[in-house]
Amino acid sequence: EAGVTQFPSHSVIEKGQTVTLRCDPISGHDNLYWYRRVMGKEIKFLLHFVKESKQDESGMPNNRFLAERTGGTYSTLKVQPAELEDSGVYFCASRHSQTNEKLFFGSGTQLSVL
Amino acid sequence: AQKITQTQPGMFVQEKEAVTLDCTYDTSDPSYGLFWYKQPSSGEMIFLIYQGSYDQQNATEGRYSLNFQKARKSANLVISASQLGDSAMYFCAMREGLMFSGGYNKLIFGAGTRLAVHP
Repeated sequence: EAGVTQFPSHSVIEKGQTVTLRCDPISGHDNLYWYRRVMGKEIKFLLHFVKESKQDESGMPNNRFLAERTGGTYSTLKVQPAELEDSGVYFCASRHSQTNEKLFFGSGTQLSVL
Repeated sequence: AQKITQTQPGMFVQEKEAVTLDCTYDTSDPSYGLFWYKQPSSGEMIFLIYQGSYDQQNATEGRYSLNFQKARKSANLVISASQLGDSAMYFCAMREGLMFSGGYNKLIFGAGTRLAVHP
């Protein structure tokens, strides 16, 4: 069974540009999360989808970030326009609603904004 | 406020020895779950072990065990018989609430501990 897949694995862009990160959760997982780790700090929650609906987006830093999950399958996280402080690792995680313990994470996208 | 503290930025251990990675937490919610994740150099966050706040027994998963001391609010990870492949970053995390549900869907992470296993 394939795990949580994220791409690209690395992205280097200039300040002001737009970047779109993609996450493919484990098949059948209705819960999808985005987290990020900025500048060696703690990993922080960004938002949570159940199927295509946003359940909690309290961690989204500002309106330059837009997450979507069309059809309740894969999700995208767009940063527009990117700023220097957006650099970090963006993790996606997924979980089946019947699972209480395991949250499966992807390998992350390393975003560098120059 | 919810907080996870991992006081050891880096740890060294000799192969085949046991190692304890420290984690303390702070929450006012009596119901919560504690998680440990491993992040090898490949980047993927791998789930290791889970402990619920009302679990009577310390959680164990193979060579991993969680030393849960509720009164001290600590949830240390013990890795027995370390292997070279255990070299990685280890993150402690907490979720308030006993289950992923409603508003209880966020994990709060610590800063992580980098473990190096020496031959």
